[in-house]
Amino acid sequence: QKEVEQDPGPLSVPEGAIVSLNCTYSNSAFQYFMWYRQYSRKGPELLMYTYSSGNKEDGRFTAQVDKSSKYISLFIRDSQPSDSATYLCAMSVEGNKLVFGAGTILRVKS
Amino acid sequence: EAQVTQNPRYLITVTGKKLTVTCSQNMNHEYMSWYRQDPGLGLRQIYYSMNVEVTDKGDVPEGYKVSRKEKRNFPLILESPSPNQTSLYFCASKRIDSNQPQHFGDGTRLSIL
Repeated sequence: QKEVEQDPGPLSVPEGAIVSLNCTYSNSAFQYFMWYRQYSRKGPELLMYTYSSGNKEDGRFTAQVDKSSKYISLFIRDSQPSDSATYLCAMSVEGNKLVFGAGTILRVKS
Repeated sequence: EAQVTQNPRYLITVTGKKLTVTCSQNMNHEYMSWYRQDPGLGLRQIYYSMNVEVTDKGDVPEGYKVSRKEKRNFPLILESPSPNQTSLYFCASKRIDSNQPQHFGDGTRLSIL
């Protein structure tokens, strides 16, 4: 079993939809949780960074961490075609070594 | 502009021919790391470095070497490349403080024939 599980998709939604992306994990020692966005032929760029449990909001993006369920989510409101990318969840125990999910491909249709 | 720069961006080579992928960062970061990205497997850490002359194995170090002689540079060396090392490689750097995010380069696509 992988340490971090993420549905690879692809997930296809119409423009303006609310998108929900999720990851589950098995290591209860993870305490740093991140979401990265990766466009084709580019490196991952950090979208959201959360320490421990709770919610964090930044514009159209909301990250949620539920440590009791070992489950994290990223919500994208009013999705745009420019949001089409691969979304990677990543986690860390001590803040330096990252463990990544496989990534979810998102396509937002105009 | 703060950035992580990898070279080359693309390389096709043959089995057994030694190659080096360079990585340089201009942010004075202590921590640097190499990952490989394969379909369905996400990014997996190959090697990392906490500072100059301090390196350690990640999850998939077999067949790779690294060095960290200067703070800004962290080259990845494949002494005898094999086809199973065909992959997309990313270098990343961050400040050593635990709550700082990693910054990634734009990747190097290696094809080993």
